[in-house]
Amino acid sequence: QVELVQSGGEVKKPGASVKVSCKTSGYTFTSYGVSWVRQAPGQGLEWLGWISGYSDETRYAQKFQDRVTVTTDTSTRTVYLEVRSLQSADTAVYYCVRDCGNCKLDYWGQGTLVTVSS
Amino acid sequence: DIVMTQSPDSLAVALGERATITCKSSQSILYSPTNKNYLAWYQQKAGQPPKLLIYWASTRESGVPDRFSGSGSGTDFTLTISSLQAEDVAVYYCQQFYINQPITFGQGTRLEIQ
Repeated sequence: QVELVQSGGEVKKPGASVKVSCKTSGYTFTSYGVSWVRQAPGQGLEWLGWISGYSDETRYAQKFQDRVTVTTDTSTRTVYLEVRSLQSADTAVYYCVRDCGNCKLDYWGQGTLVTVSS
Repeated sequence: DIVMTQSPDSLAVALGERATITCKSSQSILYSPTNKNYLAWYQQKAGQPPKLLIYWASTRESGVPDRFSGSGSGTDFTLTISSLQAEDVAVYYCQQFYINQPITFGQGTRLEIQ
């Protein structure tokens, strides 16, 4: 069965960076991309970016273009999200989700809570 | 970016009754070459990740009960729950994934039992 398993919660200080991992299984990795979506406490869903499963192609929301990097390790089927220059407004649950590219976001990771606090 | 606006923000419906949520996009998300509307609906229960319900505006995801249906085209879309069950209490989001546009979500609609 398709699974996306994310790394555990993180607590970071303002100005620091965080790297969240998403290990995938149960499907042909190169046939799907992975998107990252975040949700601040009590708020809605916000898309950060996407990476292809078969190339290094990435796309980012303009708001995060300068602070976010999505990478993959094809050998371990793991996708990574790095967010730099963290501020309190970045406190959120970060989700990875399988993305078939202009069709649907069908399988979601369990979420990783990133807390930014001094 | 394409702005997605849902209404209402919250909704209370009696068990067994129909629930209707609407979603409007700031520009058409009907892609002519494929004749598909690039819109999906998700359900999010407290403490859980979102769950895909509907994509291509009206295609039900495998395993989703048939009381959930999606309709609409162009800029105006609707999610309908034909007979509300207790387990349907959740927040519902629409999302567009139009070609060469960043993904955006509606603000969410909270559905409760009346």
